[in-house]
Amino acid sequence: DGGITQSPKYLFRKEGQNVTLSCEQNLNHDAMYWYRQDPGQGLRLIYYSQIVNDFQKGDIAEGYSVSREKKESFPLTVTSAQKNPTAFYLCASSIGGHIQYFGAGTRLSVL
Amino acid sequence: AQKITQTQPGMFVQEKEAVTLDCTYDTSDPSYGLFWYKQPSSGEMIFLIYQGSYDQQNATEGRYSLNFQKARKSANLVISASQLGDSAMYFCATAGGTSYGKLTFGQGTILTVHP
Repeated sequence: DGGITQSPKYLFRKEGQNVTLSCEQNLNHDAMYWYRQDPGQGLRLIYYSQIVNDFQKGDIAEGYSVSREKKESFPLTVTSAQKNPTAFYLCASSIGGHIQYFGAGTRLSVL
Repeated sequence: AQKITQTQPGMFVQEKEAVTLDCTYDTSDPSYGLFWYKQPSSGEMIFLIYQGSYDQQNATEGRYSLNFQKARKSANLVISASQLGDSAMYFCATAGGTSYGKLTFGQGTILTVHP
């Protein structure tokens, strides 16, 4: 079954800690995206990548980092510089810049 | 820059009836796309329907149709024959031709379908 897998489903971060959220897709899509969703809000773009070894900042990139070493994988690291990391994180992929398909999301909380 | 406005925080509909969810947009791109996504309580975003700015006909996908009025900058979602499983949050989004798939989302509308 083709799709986008995000893990873990729930993640807890301690003060000063970096945590990494995984996103893997087997749809052979070239573009991948990370969004953040706060309660009762729409999604905001953190980072996106059009091709392997290339990525661009979205609207709220501060405190986050990404890598795109493989076409299938686009991990997101929430660094200690992100002072308000509690949110729902969604990964998406698309062919070119067209319709985006999403994973099931990761809920990040601060201990 | 793009902006999406969804003015209905919540909507209620009776099962088997039709419902319209409102969406207005603002964009400086001459070419753009409009999207609707459904987000159930589980959190996953489910793609429903797409309309291109140059498409002559309104998009339809099963029970979903998009009422696209370009001059009024509106892209309302119509759900016909509502089902209990349609209860969810619905998001309108847009991406401009120059912004390579960078979706801008509205605040969403919570739809509740009553039996």
